[in-house]
Amino acid sequence: QAQLVQSGAEVKKPGASLRVSCKASGYSFTGYYIHWVRQAPGQGLEWMGWIDPNSGDTKYAQKFRGRVMMTWDTSITTVYMELRWLISDDTAVYYCARGGEVPRFDPWGQGTLVTVSS
Amino acid sequence: DTQMTQSPSSLSASVGDRVTITCRASQSISRYLNWYQHKPGKAPKLLIYVASSLQSGVPSRFSGSGSGTDFTLTINSLQPEDSATYYCQQAYSSPFTFGPGTKVDIK
Repeated sequence: QAQLVQSGAEVKKPGASLRVSCKASGYSFTGYYIHWVRQAPGQGLEWMGWIDPNSGDTKYAQKFRGRVMMTWDTSITTVYMELRWLISDDTAVYYCARGGEVPRFDPWGQGTLVTVSS
Repeated sequence: DTQMTQSPSSLSASVGDRVTITCRASQSISRYLNWYQHKPGKAPKLLIYVASSLQSGVPSRFSGSGSGTDFTLTINSLQPEDSATYYCQQAYSSPFTFGPGTKVDIK
């Protein structure tokens, strides 16, 4: 069945960049968008954007534009989310999730804990 | 952006109870509303999509209703494994915002 497996936890310093990977398996990689959602400690879920692995098209939430980049590698069915100029408020669990242009997120990756601290 | 609100923010109920969670959108989102269950340390799980469609594999005690701006998630006969935080999410327009969540505890 469809599965998304994310890269491991990271600790970053303020100002650094982050790259989280999300490897897809069990379905047609180019048939679905991959969305990214994060959850800061004690907070709710926040949608960050999506990438279409078929075309490379992306759409980012206004809050993250200029700081986020989503890329993909079809040969290894993996999507990447890069976030630059990290601040402490970027400390969160980052999730990838399969969805469509009208998104219903299923399945989700297991989550990647990112801690931004000096 | 479409703002999503949920009520209550938390509730405590007994096994076997019927539980209702409401979600309201700041503007009409037709039926483009999804519900997720989120347990600590786990990935969120899709329960309901387009307001009332039950995701494959989800127990039939979960149901959804609503359209426009007002939506409801109902859990019939609450089970111990239903202890979690429940989020609504609008899928009508980007950014695809989530509600703040409703934490469900078992008495």
